Amino acid sequence: QQQVKQSPQSLIVQKGGISIINCAYENTAFDYFPWYQQFPGKGPALLIAIRPDVSEKKEGRFTISFNKSAKQFSLHIMDSQPGDSATYFCAVGILTGGGNKLTFGTGTQLKVEL
Amino acid sequence: NAGVMQNPRHLVRRRGQEARLRCSPMKGHSHVYWYRQLPEEGLKFMVYLQKENIIDESGMPKERFSAEFPKEGPSILRIQQVVRGDSAAYFCASSLGQSSGNTIYFGEGSWLTVV
Repeated sequence: QQQVKQSPQSLIVQKGGISIINCAYENTAFDYFPWYQQFPGKGPALLIAIRPDVSEKKEGRFTISFNKSAKQFSLHIMDSQPGDSATYFCAVGILTGGGNKLTFGTGTQLKVEL
Repeated sequence: NAGVMQNPRHLVRRRGQEARLRCSPMKGHSHVYWYRQLPEEGLKFMVYLQKENIIDESGMPKERFSAEFPKEGPSILRIQQVVRGDSAAYFCASSLGQSSGNTIYFGEGSWLTVV
């Protein structure tokens, strides 16, 4: 049973464009929705995270949009740069009493072209 | 200010051998998590430990895999009698606590290859 579905699997964006990655989840008990960035040969690094009490969170060029009723959330990368080329993972978790255990999506390989 | 330290970074084992992966959490962190990443897949939760206690091992295979986080020293993920299907990247992560807002930080991973 896949608890979080991520799409697209891969994405090519021109420099300066907007990259959009989507995730959908099933369990309404989830209350923590982070996005991680991973470069080849490296560990995942937290980019940005959101709790379900807000619909949007922005940090620099990265924005999470959250739709609680649709059980979906997305990552928007504005003014995409070649240095953003990496694999992006969404995750879901239950912070309160959930021990910070995260369930990850299958990842999106982003390539930003010049 | 060292992050989560994992070693070895790369490990090659023959089928049937044992693999031991070590993880030192960030300074001050007492919660450790192990995740496995198979090629072209996302990370899968394996086990969550606090000092001397296994809190959640729901993602651990029932056989050959074990984990510990002793009072002193790093956390160890041990895989006995490795098989080719164990080839993967194993990531350790740590957090300060488990309450809301405690970010999970990942190490750079240990890449196990079983030949």
